[in-house]
Amino acid sequence: QVQLVQSGAEVKKPGTSVKVSCKASGYTFNRYDINWVRQAPGQGLEWMGWINPNSGDSGYAQNLQGRVSITTNTSTSTAYMELSSLGSEDTAVYYCARLHVVMVTSIPHYIFDFWGQGTEVIVSS
Amino acid sequence: QSVLKQPPSVSGAPGQRITISCTGSSSNIGANSAVHWYQQLPGTAPKLLIFGDSNRPSGVPDRFSGSKSGASASLAISGLQAEDEADYYCQSYDSSLSGWVFGGGTKLTVL
Repeated sequence: QVQLVQSGAEVKKPGTSVKVSCKASGYTFNRYDINWVRQAPGQGLEWMGWINPNSGDSGYAQNLQGRVSITTNTSTSTAYMELSSLGSEDTAVYYCARLHVVMVTSIPHYIFDFWGQGTEVIVSS
Repeated sequence: QSVLKQPPSVSGAPGQRITISCTGSSSNIGANSAVHWYQQLPGTAPKLLIFGDSNRPSGVPDRFSGSKSGASASLAISGLQAEDEADYYCQSYDSSLSGWVFGGGTKLTVL
């Protein structure tokens, strides 16, 4: 069965960086984009970016450009999200999610069908 | 501030029907970008509930339905059950931002 297993919780100082991993199993890793979404305490979901493991192409949310980097290691079926220059506003649960294309009456729909369990990142001095 | 606007909370008694609205703009829902809905139970990852405006993934009860008109979409839940108490989020693709956008979430309370 498809599983995305993320690394454990992190506590970081302001100004430092954090790198969260997302290990995929149960499917061919290269065939599906991985997206990252975060959720600040008591807040809604915020999309951060995506990566195509096959090509290495990636894209990022405009408000995070320059601070976020998403990479993969295809030999271990693992995706990584690194966020730099951390501030208190980056305290959140970070999720990876698989992007799946579902065809309905010949119309493609791009959905986040499987999610990791989430990784809590706390930024505190 | 979320790009897609949802009411912060809705409530209903068991057995009743409720709707949750999701209002976008001409760069996302109004541009005919599909709307997806997710259910998030406390302490868990979101789960896909409705995709492509009105399609249910396998395993989602037909009590859940979705619709879209213009730049807005709605999620309806009929025959409310205690287990439906959760946060609900809408999602769409925004062409101006070149990325996915979510609503701020709606907390459903089953009275």
